[in-house]
Amino acid sequence: EVQLLESGGGLVQPGGSLRLSCAASGFTFSSYAMSWARQAPGRGLEWVSTISYSGGTTYYAHSVKGRFTISRDNSNNTLYLQMNSLRADDAAIYYCTKDQGIQQWVDSWGQGTLVTVSS
Amino acid sequence: EIVMTQSPANLSVSPGERATLSCRASPGVSSNLAWYQQRPGQSPRLLIYGASTRATGIPARFSGSGFGTEFTLTISSLQSGDFAVYYCQHYNNWPLTFGQGTRLELK
Repeated sequence: EVQLLESGGGLVQPGGSLRLSCAASGFTFSSYAMSWARQAPGRGLEWVSTISYSGGTTYYAHSVKGRFTISRDNSNNTLYLQMNSLRADDAAIYYCTKDQGIQQWVDSWGQGTLVTVSS
Repeated sequence: EIVMTQSPANLSVSPGERATLSCRASPGVSSNLAWYQQRPGQSPRLLIYGASTRATGIPARFSGSGFGTEFTLTISSLQSGDFAVYYCQHYNNWPLTFGQGTRLELK
C-alpha cells in the first residue's frame, strides 16, 4: 500500500522559510515522478511543483518559481519542498503526491501538512 | 496556461439519482484529463484518468467522457459517500491546472 507522510509544516512569519518533507513507502520511490500540491483553507487544489524520478528535471507553478525548490533523496525515499520568501497567500495544506509519470495524473495523495504564514 | 472551468459550482442531488458534472478546458487538452474526489476532511482521491479510464478500485457507477475542451463526470445512482467535492485536472502541458471544483450536495 502506498503511504506518503508529510511533515515540516507550521507557523512561519512572512518572508520566512520552511522545509517540508514527505516520507514515501509501499512502492519503488526511485521509479516515480513526485509532486507537491496545495490547498488554501476553504479553497480548491493548486499544483505547486513536480520532480522527475531521478531528480534531474523539475517544474514549478508560476506563483512559486524562484522561491520554492523541490528535491528528492531516492536512497531514503524522501521528497522535499524548500519554501523561501513565504507570503500570506502561500498558507495552505501542502500535499505530497505520487504521479503516474512526469506530466501525468496523481495516483496517490498524502494526508497533507498545514503551513500558516502570519506575523 | 490552460484554464479549467467546472460547472456547476454546486449541485444538489438525491441519493439514488444521477449526477452530471462538467469540466471545460481552454485551450483543449486532448484526453489528458483526470478527475478527483475530495470528501470532507480528507485528501483527494483519483477517480478517472485519460478522460475515461477508471482508477483501480473505483466503482463502475463513476464514468468519464469527453475529449479536447469538454469533459463530463457522471455518477449514477448516488450513494452517501459520493457527496463530496470533485475536481478536474489537465496534464497536457505545464503548468498543470485544476478546475475550481464542483460541490455535490445531498438534496
